[in-house]
Amino acid sequence: DAGVIQSPRHEVTEMGQEVTLRCKPISGHNSLFWYRQTMMRGLELLIYFNNNVPIDDSGMPEDRFSAKMPNASFSTLKIQPSEPRDSAVYFCASSFSGGRGEQFFGPGTRLTVL
Amino acid sequence: LAKTTQPISMDSYEGQEVNITCSHNNIATNDYITWYQQFPSQGPRFIIQGYKTKVTNEVASLFIPADRKSSTLSLPRVSLSDTAVYYCLVGDHAGNMLTFGGGTRLMVKP
Repeated sequence: DAGVIQSPRHEVTEMGQEVTLRCKPISGHNSLFWYRQTMMRGLELLIYFNNNVPIDDSGMPEDRFSAKMPNASFSTLKIQPSEPRDSAVYFCASSFSGGRGEQFFGPGTRLTVL
Repeated sequence: LAKTTQPISMDSYEGQEVNITCSHNNIATNDYITWYQQFPSQGPRFIIQGYKTKVTNEVASLFIPADRKSSTLSLPRVSLSDTAVYYCLVGDHAGNMLTFGGGTRLMVKP
């Protein structure tokens, strides 16, 4: 298995633009997590899906952020409109058994909003 | 919300045992404790997980006292390649209230 796949690996955009980050979890995993990492705030859980259903989105910063998981093999995190303070590394992770299980992280997407 | 607290950084030398402690005073009954390792420009990687007492695997041990308000990750005989940031994560099986600590930056010196 190739592990968790994220795209793009790097994204540079201008303030106000829409940004879409993509994630393909490990086949067979039923849980998917989106995290954001910055120097100031560390690693933050944004949203967690179980069997494609959002379970906990309390970490989503505001309405500009949205996440979808249309099927078991694909998820997107969208920011519209983007702002410079959204600049961070966004990680996607998947696991067999929810928050308790070992999470396998992707390589991350480094987002820079100018 | 089970907030976690870890030391910001630690230094050690090759061959030594390193113990990193995480405080989680508000841990809930259903919460598990998981430790991850992160190298620069990579996503975190699972090290070990436990609920109580002691857990050991091929790379580390995890000690959890009876009150579960803290946990200690023990790395035996560290090498230079163990230089990384170590995170403590507390959360239940449903994924609720997953909380990463601020991480401990371990520097292993020759």
